[in-house]
Amino acid sequence: NAGVTQTPKFQVLKTGQSMTLQCAQDMNHEYMSWYRQDPGMGLRLIHYSVGAGITDQGEVPNGYNVSRSTTEDFPLRLLSAAPSQTSVYFCASSSGAGSVKTQYFGPGTRLLVL
Amino acid sequence: ELKVEQNPLFLSMQEGKNYTIYCNYSTTSDRLYWYRQDPGKSLESLFVLLSNGAVKQEGRLMASLDTKARLSTLHITAAVHDLSATYFCAVDSRGTYKYIFGTGTRLKVLA
Repeated sequence: NAGVTQTPKFQVLKTGQSMTLQCAQDMNHEYMSWYRQDPGMGLRLIHYSVGAGITDQGEVPNGYNVSRSTTEDFPLRLLSAAPSQTSVYFCASSSGAGSVKTQYFGPGTRLLVL
Repeated sequence: ELKVEQNPLFLSMQEGKNYTIYCNYSTTSDRLYWYRQDPGKSLESLFVLLSNGAVKQEGRLMASLDTKARLSTLHITAAVHDLSATYFCAVDSRGTYKYIFGTGTRLKVLA
């Protein structure tokens, strides 16, 4: 199993450009989420999904869109990049079954917006 | 609104010493998670605490949960350099899938 994969690993954008961060998992997990990590602020939840076709907003959703057409994939779209979106982005997934919902994290995407 | 606070934010300690990291959260939750992150790397799960009084141990790390006090602790026994990392606690709001992370505790163990 590859677990949770993310592409690209690193990206440089200019202000106003759009892009999609890809996330995929092969563990048949129902729950997937996106976080951004900024120095001194821990991880902040952007969007999450509890299954295909179901998404919801987290703590910091503005400027980001998501969709979940399949169980495996959960892409994050930046419609018009801003310097404030410079961050490290992590995707995570967990099983929806049972009481233990440990999240498995991808390797991260480092994004620089100029 | 669920908030999670960790302290200290930064901890520098000598090898062989003991110390505790604290994680406070603001609303009812039955599940608390501890993760480790090495510099430039992703997060790795350490412990899942599911009930009041739960205690988990792995090597030199021991985590506990007091749901009445809304407090979890991560105790480090006889620290070694390999434990140097950032440690995060996280809580999911009861009945939701919203995980909220603490700001992290950056631990540096000096040889």
